[in-house]
Amino acid sequence: EAQVTQNPRYLITVTGKKLTVTCSQNMNHEYMSWYRQDPGLGLRQIYYSMNVEVTDKGDVPEGYKVSRKEKRNFPLILESPSPNQTSLYFCASSLLSSGRYGDTQYFGPGTRLTVL
Amino acid sequence: SQQGEEDPQALSIQEGENATMNCSYKTSINNLQWYRQNSGRGLVHLILIRSNEREKHSGRLRVTLDTSKKSSSLLITASRAADTASYFCATDATFGKGTRLHILP
Repeated sequence: EAQVTQNPRYLITVTGKKLTVTCSQNMNHEYMSWYRQDPGLGLRQIYYSMNVEVTDKGDVPEGYKVSRKEKRNFPLILESPSPNQTSLYFCASSLLSSGRYGDTQYFGPGTRLTVL
Repeated sequence: SQQGEEDPQALSIQEGENATMNCSYKTSINNLQWYRQNSGRGLVHLILIRSNEREKHSGRLRVTLDTSKKSSSLLITASRAADTASYFCATDATFGKGTRLHILP
């Protein structure tokens, strides 16, 4: 089944404790991205990747890191999480650069992160 | 930066009625997409309309695009309880804040 998976689905952590949220897609998509969703603010893009070893900042990259060593994986790293990073996080992928060439984005199920 | 803005923010209608949501955007686009999100879940792609198209249909969905007004609308006909969700428009990789649609039994 074609899908985007994220782990963990739920995470409660404390300020400053490094964490990684994994994202994997099995559709051989080139483009992957991370979003956070907050009430009243909608979805905001954190980082995106056009292909392996190519990553770029989205609208709200501060406090996050990503890597794209393999085509299928795009982990989101919070080196020192803070309470303002409490949010619902989504990973997404598309065949090519999403939107610009009319590519549908496929979303993962989401990771609900709470930073105490 | 938020490109698309949906209107209204929330909408409640009776089952069987039609639901219309609007999206406005700021800059020129290649295409515009609509997504649905059930509570707390990932977004699901509904329909894409290209900048040279004016109207597109998919089942009970009808999307229009007016590039001169930089706006789009999503019409869901004969609404069902299962249509209760949030609906987002997206241009490139930028999403609006969504319209929360609630279908009343």
